[in-house]
Amino acid sequence: KNEVEQSPQNLTAQEGEFITINCSYSVGISALHWLQQHPGGGIVSLFMLSSGKKKHGRLIATINIQEKHSSLHITASHPRDSAVYICAVEVETSGSRLTFGEGTQLTVNP
Amino acid sequence: EPEVTQTPSHQVTQMGQEVILRCVPISNHLYFYWYRQILGQKVEFLVSFYNNEISEKSEIFDDQFSVERPDGSNFTLKIRSTKLEDSAMYFCASNVWGSGANVLTFGAGSRLTVL
Repeated sequence: KNEVEQSPQNLTAQEGEFITINCSYSVGISALHWLQQHPGGGIVSLFMLSSGKKKHGRLIATINIQEKHSSLHITASHPRDSAVYICAVEVETSGSRLTFGEGTQLTVNP
Repeated sequence: EPEVTQTPSHQVTQMGQEVILRCVPISNHLYFYWYRQILGQKVEFLVSFYNNEISEKSEIFDDQFSVERPDGSNFTLKIRSTKLEDSAMYFCASNVWGSGANVLTFGAGSRLTVL
């Protein structure tokens, strides 16, 4: 079983829709990261969370440590949001390495 | 905005050849990492490096891999004798403090194709 599970694997939305991507993990963590991978392959860090909620523009990330669950929300989605969104965790017993989920492919249609 | 720079962007090599992938991390960052992503698969950790030595490595990082920081700015990943299964995108990343404290900045990746 993967230590980090994301859902859904694929998500298609219409422009303007509110989007939620979920991440569950099965290990103790020191931090959780949300990342965006563009079609060309480049990876951009969106958020690092160890508790609560963070907001940046139209993106909101939340984490519930007790439930071992995090969500990434995109409000007023736009075609330029189309990318793979990846959840990754720093496992408490594994130092600073990130353990990655499989990613969620998001396509936003105009 | 400061960037992590990786070269080459794409390298094609023959099986058994040595490959060196280069990275220039952000200048005030102290922790450096290599990750790889085989096509269609998730990103995997290879190695982390701090204070001029390896701080962690994964099971993937066997004796054919090595890292060094030869001149205080470059951070290199060497694959001694490439195999077909080494074909992947290799990402360098860096951050200031290491675990639990701050986001990672990734390079654009080096795509390695082993024929």
